Amino acid sequence: DAGVIQSPRHEVTEMGQEVTLRCKPISGHDYLFWYRQTMMRGLELLIYFNNNVPIDDSGMPEDRFSAKMPNASFSTLKIQPSEPRDSAVYFCASRSGDSNQPQHFGDGTRLSIL
Amino acid sequence: GDSVTQMEGPVTLSEEAFLTINCTYTATGYPSLFWYVQYPGEGLQLLLKATKADDKGSNKGFEATYRKETTSFHLEKGSVQVSDSAVYFCALSDHGKLIFGQGTTLQVKP
Repeated sequence: DAGVIQSPRHEVTEMGQEVTLRCKPISGHDYLFWYRQTMMRGLELLIYFNNNVPIDDSGMPEDRFSAKMPNASFSTLKIQPSEPRDSAVYFCASRSGDSNQPQHFGDGTRLSIL
Repeated sequence: GDSVTQMEGPVTLSEEAFLTINCTYTATGYPSLFWYVQYPGEGLQLLLKATKADDKGSNKGFEATYRKETTSFHLEKGSVQVSDSAVYFCALSDHGKLIFGQGTTLQVKP
């Protein structure tokens, strides 16, 4: 089975630009999670969806960040406008069933904002 | 709120040494507990889990026991290999999402 697929793997852009990160969860998984990882703050949950509906977006840092899940096989995380402090590795993960089940992570997008 | 605390790293060991990475948690209920591992340039992978008190999770020579009385879930391995070098995360389930510890870097030298 294919795992969680994220694109792009690397993104370098200048501050002020719009950035869109993409995620394809494992087929059949009904939960999708977006995380951000930095050296200073560790792994932070930004938002998660259940059956394409956002359940908890309390981790989204500010209005510049938005996430959508238009269907069960695709989600985007958008930053507009981007700032240097948004530089991080962004992970998408998906899960099937209840919270006893593990989350499956993609390989992440390494984002650098210059 | 619920939280997870891991021992600070980095942990540096010689090959074949015994490994312990401490993890304690604070939770209002009885969460499931997980250990994830992250190799360089990759996402996190599930290493093992335990869903109730006294359960022992095990995988690839690693094991951890869910201790409700001490609110702990320490990771152990009897003999580490260079290939075990990675970052290890302890986590608990909290109302549908995972709460992660800060991660512990393990470096194993030949």
